[in-house]
Amino acid sequence: SQQGEEDPQALSIQEGENATMNCSYKTSINNLQWYRQNSGRGLVHLILIRSNEREKHSGRLRVTLDTSKKSSSLLITASRAADTASYFCAMNRDDKIIFGKGTRLHILP
Amino acid sequence: KAGVTQTPRYLIKTRGQQVTLSCSPISGHRSVSWYQQTPGQGLQFLFEYFSETQRNKGNFPGRFSGRQFSNSRSEMNVSTLELGDSALYLCASSLSQGMGLNEQFFGPGTRLTVL
Repeated sequence: SQQGEEDPQALSIQEGENATMNCSYKTSINNLQWYRQNSGRGLVHLILIRSNEREKHSGRLRVTLDTSKKSSSLLITASRAADTASYFCAMNRDDKIIFGKGTRLHILP
Repeated sequence: KAGVTQTPRYLIKTRGQQVTLSCSPISGHRSVSWYQQTPGQGLQFLFEYFSETQRNKGNFPGRFSGRQFSNSRSEMNVSTLELGDSALYLCASSLSQGMGLNEQFFGPGTRLTVL
């Protein structure tokens, strides 16, 4: 299947540090999205990156996509307590969407 | 604009019963998608509706069904509930068809517990 794998499964960093999460997938995609989910709640869309794009920025977020390696990364700079959440990548191909298992990010005060 | 709303927020049912969950999309959004989230399987796509028609369906048994009304509100139904159906059911809306192509706005979810 085209399920994505995210790495690491969990990450704890000090407030102010940068956090990097990775997502790998198995087959070609049309685009990849990143979402954030606060404990047991709905998802919030962060960034969509298309297969012909290599990098996108949104505020403190930077997403890269390497289609040759079938991987994407999400970088959160200058982390804040409010960034504590689970982060999911979602891959789209032929109008199918597959979510990764997610990375649980915990920002330590 | 009001966000995506889902009702009820919490639900407890017993095996064999059926359940109906409701989702009201953001005003003007015509696409509604449903997802099931469990600790073991993660987030899995159930189906997508656009203009009252099911446009896409995930790999779930026929016990899972849905519909969309002319005002874009959507319902999903699960019949003959099993313990494994316990999950957080998330609804998402977007302006146009294709949940992988457009930004989706998620509701808070309905937490279903099957006893």
